[in-house]
Amino acid sequence: GAVVSQHPSWVICKSGTSVKIECRSLDFQATTMFWYRQFPKQSLMLMATSNEGSKATYEQGVEKDKFLINHASLTLSTLTVTSAHPEDSSFYICSFSGQGKTDTQYFGPGTRLTVL
Amino acid sequence: GQNIDQPTEMTATEGAIVQINCTYQTSGFNGLFWYQQHAGEAPTFLSYNVLDGLEEKGRFSSFLSRSKGYSYLLLKELQMKDSASYLCAVLDYKLSFGAGTTVTVRA
Repeated sequence: GAVVSQHPSWVICKSGTSVKIECRSLDFQATTMFWYRQFPKQSLMLMATSNEGSKATYEQGVEKDKFLINHASLTLSTLTVTSAHPEDSSFYICSFSGQGKTDTQYFGPGTRLTVL
Repeated sequence: GQNIDQPTEMTATEGAIVQINCTYQTSGFNGLFWYQQHAGEAPTFLSYNVLDGLEEKGRFSSFLSRSKGYSYLLLKELQMKDSASYLCAVLDYKLSFGAGTTVTVRA
């Protein structure tokens, strides 16, 4: 399967600061990418979907001004959590898929964010 | 809306077989995925079913019945490393995940 990297793998920050998470596909060019959030013992929840060069589509209840997504190229996407608060502490996972809506999604290793 | 149900936990012994059921009610359907997720790690792809029937891949098999909104993942010859959470996910316009089934394999 495809290889996806995320950086950083974990981050601890103070409340009110912003955190940027990078997601890269290392061996294929992805037309669509997804950002998920997973709270402990809960399922992955889709936050947003983005296509390269387009604005992201956010799921209901996800603040687009708080979670800034930049899909800069076919191999790189970033998620910036602005003005982070303790309730934003979670496991953030990106995934890429290729062309076609039924293509398998390949997940990054995830980023554990802890906001103090 | 989406509703995807799977058992919370299952325990089995090494070498045994375990079947994880998943039922779903979704507004659309473009396939069903099973993922394995170890604690603190991202999910890894196991299988994809879009047509009714059984897909076999080594020790893992997945079954789908679209008319019943039902799938199962069958794990054979269980090994200790199979202890993980198994996620059922249904694709319509997006991938929606069940809460996951934590499988514990005991010696």
